[in-house]
Amino acid sequence: QVQLVQSGAEVKKPGASVKVSCKASGYTFTSYDINWVRQATGQGLEWMGWMNPNSGNTGYSQKFQGRVTMTRDTSIKTAYMELSSLTSDDTAVYYCGREHSSSEYGMDVWGQGTTVIVSS
Amino acid sequence: SYVLIQPPSVSVSPGQTARITCSGDALPKQYAFWYQQKPGQAPVLVMYKDSERHSGIPERFSGSSSGTTVTLTISGVQAEDEADYYCQSTDNSGDWVFGGGTKLTVL
Repeated sequence: QVQLVQSGAEVKKPGASVKVSCKASGYTFTSYDINWVRQATGQGLEWMGWMNPNSGNTGYSQKFQGRVTMTRDTSIKTAYMELSSLTSDDTAVYYCGREHSSSEYGMDVWGQGTTVIVSS
Repeated sequence: SYVLIQPPSVSVSPGQTARITCSGDALPKQYAFWYQQKPGQAPVLVMYKDSERHSGIPERFSGSSSGTTVTLTISGVQAEDEADYYCQSTDNSGDWVFGGGTKLTVL
């Protein structure tokens, strides 16, 4: 079945970077964009950016510009999101999700989420 | 920056109709999407392109749009519909924006 499986929880020190992976299966990886969304405990959803696995093109939320990098390895159908210069405000659950490249169908498949804790 | 406004909470009794609104200046020009999130779970797509029900979503869920407001309607609410609901759209530059979320309580 179509699914996205994310890497496990991470604990990082302030100032460090974290790289979260998102492995796709059950569909053509290069046919759907991957979006990243995060959610702090008890808070709403926050969009971070998107990546087209076919071209590698990316678009980032202004809030994360300069701090986030989205990449992929098409040989293993995996997308990555790296966030640098972490602070405690980055403690959150990070989700990847696929979106049809037409941008008309929403994020129809989500990963299970990856908890990132930033603490000294 | 562009914002989507949702009521923080909506409460209904089982069998009643719940309406969750989402307001934003760009909604007449941009599609809206709705996501349902239950505690401890990833969000689930409910509605796309304002009023199209995602595969597997019960028929009691419907969407509509009027001017700068989109509405998610749940007819004959069931206990299992209790969740947080988020609207999502895009701003004029194509960046995604989420509403603040609405907690639906089934009394």
